[in-house]
Amino acid sequence: NAGVMQNPRHLVRRRGQEARLRCSPMKGHSHVYWYRQLPEEGLKFMVYLQKENIIDESGMPKERFSAEFPKEGPSILRIQQVVRGDSAAYFCASSPRIEVSYGYTFGSGTRLTVV
Amino acid sequence: QQQVKQSPQSLIVQKGGISIINCAYENTAFDYFPWYQQFPGKGPALLIAIRPDVSEKKEGRFTISFNKSAKQFSLHIMDSQPGDSATYFCAASSKEGAQKLVFGQGTRLTINP
Repeated sequence: NAGVMQNPRHLVRRRGQEARLRCSPMKGHSHVYWYRQLPEEGLKFMVYLQKENIIDESGMPKERFSAEFPKEGPSILRIQQVVRGDSAAYFCASSPRIEVSYGYTFGSGTRLTVV
Repeated sequence: QQQVKQSPQSLIVQKGGISIINCAYENTAFDYFPWYQQFPGKGPALLIAIRPDVSEKKEGRFTISFNKSAKQFSLHIMDSQPGDSATYFCAASSKEGAQKLVFGQGTRLTINP
C-alpha cells in the first residue's frame, strides 16, 4: 500500500496563474480531506470530499478555490489566479470511513510557492 | 470555540530528559484528541491519541495526560532522543460535522545530544 500520494511535491506559480494539486488516497479509502499549513502554523481544514461529493467546504476561501474528487482518478484542489498569500503547504488526508480515529492518513504535501 | 491552543512554540530538551507539550481547548463537543509528529518536508504522522473517558494513555516513551474538567491535555516524551526532534501538533475532533481535525499551532522540539 503506497500511502496517500500527493503531487507535485513542489509547485511554483507566478501571480495570476492556476495551481492544480493532486491527491490519490490510499487504496480502499473513499474519504478525502484537504488542509493548508501556512509557515510556522498548524494545519487548517479546507474541505472534505467523498467520491463525487463535497461534504464540507467550510474552510475553503469563497473565491478562487475549488475541489473535486471524481469517480475515477485523484482528488484535485484547484486555485485560480494565485496570489502571494496562497503560498503554503497543502496536505491531503484519506480515511476508509468517516471516523477520524480510524486510519486517517496524511500525504507528504505539496509546497506551493507563488512568485 | 473551535480553537486548540498549544504551548510552548519551541522547546529544547537535553537527551534523556522529559519533553512536555501542552494543549487547551474550549469546545466540549471534542471527543478525540490525537498528537501528530511532523518531520521537515513530510506530512503529519499520528503518534498517539486519547478519548476523554480516560485520564492517561501511554505508548512506549509517549504519554498523553488528559484533564477533562480543565479542558487540557499534554504530551510527555520520556527519555527524549535526538530522533524525537520534530514539530508536534495536538489536535481535536468531534462527532459533529465531517470529522475534521482542529490543530494546535505546533511545537518545534529540539533534543540536544
